[in-house]
Amino acid sequence: QVHLVQSGAEVKKPGASMKVSCKASGYNFVTYGINWVRQAPGQGLEWMGWIIPYNGISNCAQKFQGRVTMTTDTSTTTAYMELRSLTSDDTAVYYCAKHRAVVGGTDDAFDVWGQGTMVTVFS
Amino acid sequence: QSVLTQPPSVSAAPGQKVSVSCSGNSSNIGNNYVSWYQHLPGTAPKLLIYDNNKRPSGIPDRFSGSKSGTSATLGITGLQTGDEADYYCGTWDSSLSAYVFGTGTKVTVL
Repeated sequence: QVHLVQSGAEVKKPGASMKVSCKASGYNFVTYGINWVRQAPGQGLEWMGWIIPYNGISNCAQKFQGRVTMTTDTSTTTAYMELRSLTSDDTAVYYCAKHRAVVGGTDDAFDVWGQGTMVTVFS
Repeated sequence: QSVLTQPPSVSAAPGQKVSVSCSGNSSNIGNNYVSWYQHLPGTAPKLLIYDNNKRPSGIPDRFSGSKSGTSATLGITGLQTGDEADYYCGTWDSSLSAYVFGTGTKVTVL
């Protein structure tokens, strides 16, 4: 069974950083991209970026450039997403999601999702 | 504001059919595969349709997908109370160099 298990909920102050982990199991971790998606309260899904564990190449949405870092640890099959300079607008549930296909295209679907990590930013 | 537009809500009685539309342009839907996701509050989104019209294993054939030009449609037949959820289309946008989701559609079973 393919699973993505994320770290627990966090509460952060404005200006702080957050780091969410996503532990993968049940498949060849290095050959499938990991995406990060968030959903703010009452809002829709928002793609943040992806990383290919095999070579560490990542790509993120323009609005997060300079503020987000995505990494992977292939020895523990874990992906990480760090977001810095938090504001209340970053309050959201953060999901990791696996690409469906090996070396899938940029339009590849996300077939397995983590359970979500609630991050609350308030002073 | 998403570049993929969906109706805010659709509804039908149990056993009936609903269609959810997703409208984009040539930078996204027109030249890329479309996926559809079901999202129940408090749970992880679930992939329903990939590559415009393919279903992952375990997804019943009550769910179908189609694409024409710069629009895509999700169809749900034999509507069940368990189908009440938010539904999102998604694809790559070549102009934005980003994966984009639709605005989301709430499906209600009357």
